[in-house]
Amino acid sequence: AQKITQTQPGMFVQEKEAVTLDCTYDTSDQSYGLFWYKQPSSGEMIFLIYQGSYDEQNATEGRYSLNFQKARKSANLVISASQLGDSAMYFCAMREAASGGSYIPTFGRGTSLIVHP
Amino acid sequence: DGGITQSPKYLFRKEGQNVTLSCEQNLNHDAMYWYRQDPGQGLRLIYYSQIVNDFQKGDIAEGYSVSREKKESFPLTVTSAQKNPTAFYLCASTVLAGVLTGELFFGEGSRLTVL
Repeated sequence: AQKITQTQPGMFVQEKEAVTLDCTYDTSDQSYGLFWYKQPSSGEMIFLIYQGSYDEQNATEGRYSLNFQKARKSANLVISASQLGDSAMYFCAMREAASGGSYIPTFGRGTSLIVHP
Repeated sequence: DGGITQSPKYLFRKEGQNVTLSCEQNLNHDAMYWYRQDPGQGLRLIYYSQIVNDFQKGDIAEGYSVSREKKESFPLTVTSAQKNPTAFYLCASTVLAGVLTGELFFGEGSRLTVL
């Protein structure tokens, strides 16, 4: 079973509108971290935002916010006031404990976001 | 500026040949990772290393090998045993593998095509 599920292969949004990208995760750990990354067409992955499993407040970074619903195991990314430069692939990822005391990052399959002028 | 450098950016290989992808970081990070990206598949973990001279297999290690002789370097060899090596390969690092909050820093990737 997939640990990270992103159900939207592609999303379209009008410039200046808000968009929500869905992410659900599966873990039995109490301590884990959730991340969102952006991948433009150039290929490089860019870190956007982080949410810890014990954080009570939703994380925010500029126009990005993470809607964290722990009971539902969801960590949706909200982009406010979309810009043309937001067009990219977006990946949700989770770090949970693995053997040897490390936290291994696992990624979802990604959502392609296209922002229309 | 600190960062991760992957080379080459594009690589073509004939079937049956081994190729090595380079990954160098000057961020003083302990943990390094190799991911493979295929269209619609997301990123899948090949190998990771928490410290020098130590590495572990990820989910899709078959047909790949790595070494970690220096903290800064984590090269990936795609061997002839890898059945479908054409893909985009991403190297990443983070401060410590045992720290939950650290984000990954990525290189620009290497695109390997088998002819």
